[in-house]
Amino acid sequence: DIQMTQSPSSLSASVGDRVTITCRASQNINTYLNWYQQKPGKAPKLLISYASSVQSGVPSRFSGGGSGTDFTLTISSLQPEDFATYYCQQSQSTLITFGQGTRLEIK
Amino acid sequence: QVQLVESGGGVVQPGNSLRLSCAASGFTFTAYGMHWVRQAPGKGLEWVAFIWYDGSNRYYADSVKGRFIISRDNSKNILYLQINSLRAEDTALYYCARSTDTSYYYPLDYWGQGTMVTVSS
Repeated sequence: DIQMTQSPSSLSASVGDRVTITCRASQNINTYLNWYQQKPGKAPKLLISYASSVQSGVPSRFSGGGSGTDFTLTISSLQPEDFATYYCQQSQSTLITFGQGTRLEIK
Repeated sequence: QVQLVESGGGVVQPGNSLRLSCAASGFTFTAYGMHWVRQAPGKGLEWVAFIWYDGSNRYYADSVKGRFIISRDNSKNILYLQINSLRAEDTALYYCARSTDTSYYYPLDYWGQGTMVTVSS
C-alpha cells in the first residue's frame, strides 16, 4: 500500500495567516494527488486535483503543488470559513489511500 | 444537480450483514466510477472500495477485502455495498462518492451525506 503522511496533524493559525500543509507519499505517485476539505458534520469537498488543479468555485487563495512523493496545500490568507480538516488522497494505486488529516484551528 | 443519497445503515450485531445503498441522480450514472469511503467517529477518512462505470472491475481496501462487496445497478442508478461479517471496527459513517470519470485514478468530486453503521452487541 502507498502510505500518505500529512504534517502537521494539527495547526493553529489566525485569520490572514499564510499556511502550508504537506503530504508525503511512501512512493512515487506522480501527480495523482488530491486535496479535500471537511467541516464538522459535513461531507468532504474536493479542493484540488492532480496536485495543483484548483476546482471551479474554490477561492484562489488555495493552491497546491508538488509531484512524485512530496506535495503541499497552501492557503495564502486564511479566512474564517477555512478552519476545517484537510485530507490528501492518492489515486496512483488501485488501493486508494488518504492522509490522516490536518486539523486547522483558530488561534 | 448531482445528488448522492445513502441509506441502509443502522445498529447491527457483530458477525451480521448489512447492505448499504446509494441512489444517484442529476448525472449519467453509467459514465462514472463510484467509491465507498468511511469515517469512524472522530477519525479520518478511509477509502473502502471502488467500482468501474460498467461494473467490470472492483477494488477493495485490505481491511475489508473478502467481507465487503461493491456493486451497482446501472438500470436503477444505485450503488451498493454489501457488508458481511461485521466487526466493531466497521463502525463508521459510510459515504458514497463519485469519481470524476470512469476509473479509480480520478478525484472524488461529489459525495453523499453518509449513512451510519454501528456494530454493537
